[in-house]
Amino acid sequence: GAVVSQHPSWVICKSGTSVKIECRSLDFQATTMFWYRQFPKQSLMLMATSNEGSKATYEQGVEKDKFLINHASLTLSTLTVTSAHPEDSSFYICSAREAGGRSDTQYFGPGTRLTVL
Amino acid sequence: QKEVEQNSGPLSVPEGAIASLNCTYSDRGSQSFFWYRQYSGKSPELIMSIYSNGDKEDGRFTAQLNKASQYVSLLIRDSQPSDSATYLCAVRGGYSGGGADGLTFGKGTHLIIQP
Repeated sequence: GAVVSQHPSWVICKSGTSVKIECRSLDFQATTMFWYRQFPKQSLMLMATSNEGSKATYEQGVEKDKFLINHASLTLSTLTVTSAHPEDSSFYICSAREAGGRSDTQYFGPGTRLTVL
Repeated sequence: QKEVEQNSGPLSVPEGAIASLNCTYSDRGSQSFFWYRQYSGKSPELIMSIYSNGDKEDGRFTAQLNKASQYVSLLIRDSQPSDSATYLCAVRGGYSGGGADGLTFGKGTHLIIQP
């Protein structure tokens, strides 16, 4: 149980284009999903918290107009990197927390590796 | 701003020995503590969570929490080569603003189990 998927697993795009990454909870409903970013040899950094049916909460320094988050259902959150640039190249990982569960455990997706040329 | 500190390593341990990983955190109000294992190029996988002071054991793994010292540790008994990975300490909650629900990660300790 508690499986989270991400699509695509990797993507290469040209500078200036937009890329959408999907995060799905496969066998549970997730009220809250989180988006993290990990640069090489660095740790995961929380970008934003996404709550179903409401606006995402972004961490300090994360541009909300550049990283668009939509959490339209209890099993799907999307992250769109708009006008991507090479410095946005990173490993993007989502996690989900089960709705109504007593545990605050977050289950991580397999990640999406973005390369912007 | 919350901070989670770990020794980056590498920490080299002979197969069959006990590996000891340590982590300190800055936000005294932190409530939940997690250890994740991350293999190169992969996303983190949960090993253990701990919420109360003391020890929590799960198979070969023991997590220890000391809130007064703001210290969390992970012991791996009977270390196996497959345990070689980067171990991430993560903390949730606290007094610092923003992202109270999200996890703050340390940079991780690279563990090498020598056959």
